[in-house]
Amino acid sequence: GQNIDQPTEMTATEGAIVQINCTYQTSGFNGLFWYQQHAGEAPTFLSYNVLDGLEEKGRFSSFLSRSKGYSYLLLKELQMKDSASYLCAVRDLSGGSYIPTFGRGTSLIVHP
Amino acid sequence: GAGVSQTPSNKVTEKGKYVELRCDPISGHTALYWYRQSLGQGPEFLIYFQGTGAADDSGLPNDRFFAVRPEGSVSTLKIQRTERGDSAVYLCASSLTGGLAGGSDTQYFGPGTRLTVL
Repeated sequence: GQNIDQPTEMTATEGAIVQINCTYQTSGFNGLFWYQQHAGEAPTFLSYNVLDGLEEKGRFSSFLSRSKGYSYLLLKELQMKDSASYLCAVRDLSGGSYIPTFGRGTSLIVHP
Repeated sequence: GAGVSQTPSNKVTEKGKYVELRCDPISGHTALYWYRQSLGQGPEFLIYFQGTGAADDSGLPNDRFFAVRPEGSVSTLKIQRTERGDSAVYLCASSLTGGLAGGSDTQYFGPGTRLTVL
């Protein structure tokens, strides 16, 4: 398995910055995805990293270090609507499968 | 429609009954995935179709679970002799190529079917 680890829950204040970490173990790494999932809704794609470095998309950025098996999702200028679960998913080709494996998700609570 | 759709949105059944869950993927997407998600967990992979064939069914928990995609578009997940432990949200996703062409090949998820087995 990919042994994906994320914190279970985080809280932050509206307008602040929060960093959600994800660590993983693979032998055939082929990309890492971040999804946002509001309660009772489907996961929606946020970002994809396959090379080391930072990918910025508006208020959201995602970072990857393949040598450390580590990624983070950075959310800036937090809004109440950012309260959701954030899922890290890793694609590992070592078993011949293209299917990303999802972590348990990090529940982010944004309060005023 | 532009997105992935799933029907029904909610299904309540009794232990031992048979259920079918339907997924309509995004038009033109060759890859289709079924996942199961329990409260507080991430989506758990069940089965993946590339076109009409099941390319990877390693996630199906046992032989009570079966899925088809006869024309390479709509898919049906079938669960026989349902058990209380089958209660979960069943998510369907589709992607353009299934990762075969490289790149992100983003998965687009449907709203899910919430299955409750009494």
